[in-house]
Amino acid sequence: SSELTQDPAVSVALGQTVRITCQGDSLRSYYASWYQQKPGQAPVLVIYGKNNRPSGIPDRFSGSSSGNTASLTITGAQAEDEADYYCNSRDSSGNLVVFGGGTKLTVL
Amino acid sequence: EVQLVQSGAEVKKPGESLKISCKGSGYSFTSYWIGWVRQMPGKGLEWMGIIYPGDSDTRYSPSFQGQVTISADKSISTAYLQWSSLKASDTAMYYCVRQIRGLRMYYFDYWGQGTLVTVSS
Repeated sequence: SSELTQDPAVSVALGQTVRITCQGDSLRSYYASWYQQKPGQAPVLVIYGKNNRPSGIPDRFSGSSSGNTASLTITGAQAEDEADYYCNSRDSSGNLVVFGGGTKLTVL
Repeated sequence: EVQLVQSGAEVKKPGESLKISCKGSGYSFTSYWIGWVRQMPGKGLEWMGIIYPGDSDTRYSPSFQGQVTISADKSISTAYLQWSSLKASDTAMYYCVRQIRGLRMYYFDYWGQGTLVTVSS
């Protein structure tokens, strides 16, 4: 079982804003990171730390955190954003890594 | 350019041993942790463990401790994931990752292309 909880599926209309959440006690102490995985491809880092985007990630992707919940927000979702999204963080002990179960994003 | 290039797909029988590899390039291999992530068919990502090639310090997820061995050969900038006796339940895609360990975060900034391991009699 995962120490980080994500909604299994979320949908958004094209061009609208969507928030994908990740809950867990470790998030009170540690930042979450977010990964996008499209079918048949390796995951790609989209957000890390407080709200940092790797080079090449569009600025419509942003991250935030409050209490035990981290969020990935896509402002103006595009068709190419349809993918599975995973959060991860250090675990409660601080020594290991945990992933959320993943959220399948559908862009309508 | 940072790259992690993994070995090719494997088809094995239950009980057989296997060692898959991940070769890093474009950065100082001994200065970054390398991790392994499992993805079973149609399922999510699971962190297996990490190794620091500089001194071979290794950590395992409790779920994988004793089930696999992670190692590295810094002379050829390559990390390995090894099984001594495969099970059908080891069938999965395995990714190597470069793991960044910050004060309040761990994240994976580069991923290998994945190695598909199929275990079937």
